[in-house]
Amino acid sequence: QKEVEQDPGPLSVPEGAIVSLNCTYSNSAFQYFMWYRQYSRKGPELLMYTYSSGNKEDGRFTAQVDKSSKYISLFIRDSQPSDSATYLCAMSGAGGGNKLTFGTGTQLKVEL
Amino acid sequence: DARVTQTPRHKVTEMGQEVTMRCQPILGHNTVFWYRQTMMQGLELLAYFRNRAPLDDSGMPKDRFSAEMPDATLATLKIQPSEPRDSAVYFCASGLVQKERTAVETQYFGPGTRLLVL
Repeated sequence: QKEVEQDPGPLSVPEGAIVSLNCTYSNSAFQYFMWYRQYSRKGPELLMYTYSSGNKEDGRFTAQVDKSSKYISLFIRDSQPSDSATYLCAMSGAGGGNKLTFGTGTQLKVEL
Repeated sequence: DARVTQTPRHKVTEMGQEVTMRCQPILGHNTVFWYRQTMMQGLELLAYFRNRAPLDDSGMPKDRFSAEMPDATLATLKIQPSEPRDSAVYFCASGLVQKERTAVETQYFGPGTRLLVL
């Protein structure tokens, strides 16, 4: 079993929909949680970064972390066709090292 | 606009051949990562360097893969000999660790090298 599990999708939604993307993890040492967005044939780019539990909002994006359930989510409000990409969750433990463990990614398509 | 650059962008080679991939990290960044991405396994960390010193290469098959940083502006990943199962997209990422206790810094990814080994 992988340390980080992510539904690969694909997930197809109409424009304007609220999108929910999720990851579960097994390593309780993870303290830093990130969401990366990867467009086709491009490298991943950091979208959101949260530390420990709680919510963080940035425009149409909200990241949630529930450490008690080992579950993280990314919500996209008013989804746009430009949001069509693969979304990867990534996690890291405390204490330095900067090693990220990635989920396999969820492919999202927002249709007109 | 500072970016991580990678060369070549695409590589097709035959089994048994040596493959060298190059990465130029963002100027001033002191940490460089090499990842491999496949559909089945996703993004896997192969190795990473801090201030040009290798910190962790536990994700890398030692018998055929090697990673080096000959200078601060160049990181290389070599596969010798290459095998069909090495076919993947290889990403380099760089970041700046400003304090030893900083657990994570933003990693900036390059565009990747698409490798196909026939």
